[in-house]
Amino acid sequence: ETGVTQTPRHLVMGMTNKKSLKCEQHLGHNAMYWYKQSAKKPLELMFVYNFKEQTENNSVPSRFSPECPNSSHLFLHLHTLQPEDSALYLCASSQDDRAYSPLHFGNGTRLTVT
Amino acid sequence: QKEVEQNSGPLSVPEGAIASLNCTYSDRGSQSFFWYRQYSGKSPELIMFIYSNGDKEDGRFTAQLNKASQYVSLLIRDSQPSDSATYLCAVKKQSGAGSYQLTFGKGTKLSVIP
Repeated sequence: ETGVTQTPRHLVMGMTNKKSLKCEQHLGHNAMYWYKQSAKKPLELMFVYNFKEQTENNSVPSRFSPECPNSSHLFLHLHTLQPEDSALYLCASSQDDRAYSPLHFGNGTRLTVT
Repeated sequence: QKEVEQNSGPLSVPEGAIASLNCTYSDRGSQSFFWYRQYSGKSPELIMFIYSNGDKEDGRFTAQLNKASQYVSLLIRDSQPSDSATYLCAVKKQSGAGSYQLTFGKGTKLSVIP
């Protein structure tokens, strides 16, 4: 098993659909993250969970809803998305959410909203 | 002022040369600094990180940090065509909620010419 696994790798959804992205980490880490990567923009932090508790929500629209049932799993529930939400969604994990813990990324989900 | 700034490139170097990638950051409270490599269509991969002023070497890679100048760089010695990728500089600082957020630059695209 690779360190951080994301499914699905690719997702096409209509604006009225509901879908979920899944992330699982096998590194024994306690913090998990969702990032969004759009063309020509830096990676944008969306959510942070530390020991299953959400510690950061960077003003993300409510059409994105995270869920962290345990320290190894993280979900991003999507509903009524907009075409501008099309991007690469990256999950990451780290030992904790402190200064000296590097993040390890999954392979990402390429999302296209039609 | 952008939080983390990088020259977008492309930076072209001949095979075997030293590639020098630069990054500046705006927040003096930033505590840790990371370099990631991202191949086209792939997720970011951690290369190395640095916390203290000075140089840190790992194989062909050297990270340099100057907190007074708010400057961090990555040197790649004996550049290989396989080093051709986008290099992301990332900076961790404490958020208002107390956890540490990793903020990325847009990345510098490196091309190593055989």
